[in-house]
Order: sequence, then C-alpha cells, then structure tokens
Amino acid sequence: EAQVTQNPRYLITVTGKKLTVTCSQNMNHEYMSWYRQDPGLGLRQIYYSMNVEVTDKGDVPEGYKVSRKEKRNFPLILESPSPNQTSLYFCASSLIGLAGVEQFFGPGTRLTVL
Amino acid sequence: DAKTTQPPSMDCAEGRAANLPCNHSTISGNEYVYWYRQIHSQGPQYIIHGLKNNETNEMASLIITEDRKSSTLILPHATLRDTAVYYCIVRVPGTYKYIFGTGTRLKVLA
Repeated sequence: EAQVTQNPRYLITVTGKKLTVTCSQNMNHEYMSWYRQDPGLGLRQIYYSMNVEVTDKGDVPEGYKVSRKEKRNFPLILESPSPNQTSLYFCASSLIGLAGVEQFFGPGTRLTVL
Repeated sequence: DAKTTQPPSMDCAEGRAANLPCNHSTISGNEYVYWYRQIHSQGPQYIIHGLKNNETNEMASLIITEDRKSSTLILPHATLRDTAVYYCIVRVPGTYKYIFGTGTRLKVLA
C-alpha cells in the first residue's frame, strides 16, 4: 500500500531534550516536506526537500533541522525543543513535475513540549 | 507574497451542492491552485488541482475565474462525510514552498 508513515504518532517531552520525528514514504517520491499545524493558523511549511541531499526552508524553519540522506526518509530534528514547538506535525511527499502534483500526507505526529 | 483567502466557515444541507470560494489574487501565471481537505486532525487529503481550465474528478469540480484570481471548489452532492476543513493552496512562484492558509470549515447538515 502506498503510504507515508510517521513515528512516533504521539510524543510528550521536556524543554531542551533533543528529539527526532521520522518520516518514510514507499512511493519513490522525489519531494518530501514537513508542516506544522496550530489552532487558527492552518498548516505552515517547515522544510522541504526536492531530492537526496537537497533541502530548503519553508515558512517556519526556526528551531528545526532536517536531513535527506535517502530518498524514502526525511526526518525532522528538534535539537532543543521549546514549548512553542508544541504542535501537530505532518510529513508529505509527492512527485516533482511541471504539471500540478498531488501531495500524500502522513497521519501526523502530535508533539507536546513541557 | 503568495497567499490565499477563504471564508472561515460554511454550512451546507446534505444532498445540496457545496460551493467553497478562494481568493488567490497574487497567483502567478504558471502556478496551479490545489484543494485539499482535512477531516478532524487526520493528514490532509488531496481533492483536485487546476491551472486555468475548469477541472472535474470523481470528488469535486474546480472553477477558476478567467483572471485566475479566484476559484470555487464544488462538491455537487454534499454528504455528512464531507464535513471537514477545506484548504485552497498555492505555491510561492519559482519554488516548491506551499502556502496553505487557514481553510474553510464546512459543516454538512442533515
């Protein structure tokens, strides 16, 4: 089954404790992206990647890191989480093309930073 | 800057057409308009996209104005399962940075 998986689905942590949220897709997509969703703000893009070793900032990259060492994986790293990073996080992937392309979203990771 | 504007909420009677508008007046000439929906806090689900012509698929129709500054998503026969938040999305020109906006919360009423 074609899908985007995220782990963990739920995480409660404390300020300053480094964490990684994994994202994996099995569709051989070049494009992968991370979004955060906060009440009243919709989804905002954190980082995206056009292919292996190619990443770029979205609208809200501060406090996050990403890496794309393999095509299927795109982990989101919070080196020193803070309470304002408490949010619902989504990973997405898609092909890249001149015509419009559909993004496939993962199920989300709900992060709470105390 | 690329942005989209949608009404925060709408109601629609079950079985009737739901027409969800979106303003994207800053869209550039070769960028697509995308529509997604999100049910509860699940991952957004793709619905449809278009460039300048009207589009239709098994889920919905998309009407884009001739000047491309706005569009309307049409769910022809809304059901209770169509209750969701609907997002109209564009890309920042020349990039793969997507702008989601805050969406329209559609409630389909029995």
